[in-house]
Amino acid sequence: SYELTQPPSVSVSPGQTASITCSGDKLGNKYVCWYQQKPGQSPVLVIYQDTKRPSGIPERFSGSSSGNTATLTISGTQPMDEADYYCQAWDSSTMIFGGGTKLTVL
Amino acid sequence: QVQLVQSGAEVKKPGASVKVSCKASGYTFTSYGISWVRQAPGQGLEWMGWISGYNGHTKYAQKLQDRVTMTTDTSTSTVYMELRSLRSDDTALYYCARGFSGSYIDFWGQGTLVTVSS
Repeated sequence: SYELTQPPSVSVSPGQTASITCSGDKLGNKYVCWYQQKPGQSPVLVIYQDTKRPSGIPERFSGSSSGNTATLTISGTQPMDEADYYCQAWDSSTMIFGGGTKLTVL
Repeated sequence: QVQLVQSGAEVKKPGASVKVSCKASGYTFTSYGISWVRQAPGQGLEWMGWISGYNGHTKYAQKLQDRVTMTTDTSTSTVYMELRSLRSDDTALYYCARGFSGSYIDFWGQGTLVTVSS
């Protein structure tokens, strides 16, 4: 079965750039989206179709995808960005989530 | 505004069934589908399946397809998810979420905690 692999944790200093990767076989041939989940809250879509930002999501959030890897980049990371982040794609009519990455801003 | 309001928390014994509801508002129900996604305590997101708001067509995750049924009631814009033969590892927060098959989820419900315990 298809798998998406994310690093369990990423740390970044406030104001710096955070990059969270998501790897899967030929992932660049699929659309990838990213969700942010803060403790006790429902997930929120932050990137869809690899690079697009939904209305209301700050410009510091961006996405890219090529080959076997998709990347969520947060420029000028703020303390409020500390959360779990999940990538998601579809394979064979099945929605697949990555295992999630805990972003720590310290 | 789009809202997905789910039913309240449930406590069930192993072997029982649970049925969770998700009432949609703020958009045309038949123009979108609903996915169900669960999250065990301290764990990641797991997709359970998707149902079309237009014609009730379903897609289920292979590991759950023998135990899960999703249905819609277009008269009340409500989606239901029933999970049977509950086990302790079904204890999780269950989310309904709006999206098209093969695409992203753009709105999530508040989640329903289902606890399976003897």
